[in-house]
Amino acid sequence: EVQLVESGGGLVQPGRSMKLSCAASGFTFSNYGMAWVRQAPTKGLEWVATISYDGSSTYYRDSVKGRFTISRDNAKSTLYLQMNSLRSEDTATYYCTRIAAISTPFDYWGQGVMVTVSS
Amino acid sequence: DTVLTQSPALAVSPGERVTISCRASESVSTLMHWYQQKPGQQPTLLIYLASNLESGVPARFSGSGSGTDFTLTIDPVEADDTATYYCQQSWNDPTFGGGTKLELK
Repeated sequence: EVQLVESGGGLVQPGRSMKLSCAASGFTFSNYGMAWVRQAPTKGLEWVATISYDGSSTYYRDSVKGRFTISRDNAKSTLYLQMNSLRSEDTATYYCTRIAAISTPFDYWGQGVMVTVSS
Repeated sequence: DTVLTQSPALAVSPGERVTISCRASESVSTLMHWYQQKPGQQPTLLIYLASNLESGVPARFSGSGSGTDFTLTIDPVEADDTATYYCQQSWNDPTFGGGTKLELK
């Protein structure tokens, strides 16, 4: 059974940093691309970043470029999202998702982790 | 970015057929996918590549379309289908529609 378990969320002040982790199990992690998708309270879904199966390629939405870094450790089957210079508009539930390849759907989702950016 | 437009809400009775539409601001070929999100839960994949049913999803769900116009159909609707439905394109940087909240009468 595919499982994606996020951790590392919480309350953080504007301008500070936070790192999210996603522990994957139930599939061969190194064979799949991974992505982060977020959802602000009562709002819709928004793609944040994608990383290829081997970590060689990364993609970001414009609003997080230069502030967020997606990475992975295939030996630990873990995905990360380093978030710097956080803004109030980054407040959201962040979902870890799996993709078969670039341009394919998000076929599995974690339960999500809440990040609140507030002073 | 490719903008996806969905109707915000629909209300139907159990047993009826419902169609949820999604219009893209430019052609995305068949790189369109549909998700269901129940309150307090993460989204789940229903349909991929416009018309392919994800494993384990009931055959009551189906998808169609190509280019800029896409449809998710549920026939017949059941009480458990109360949820918000999102379309998502993967032709370029992924974008989602605003979601269609389906309520049962």
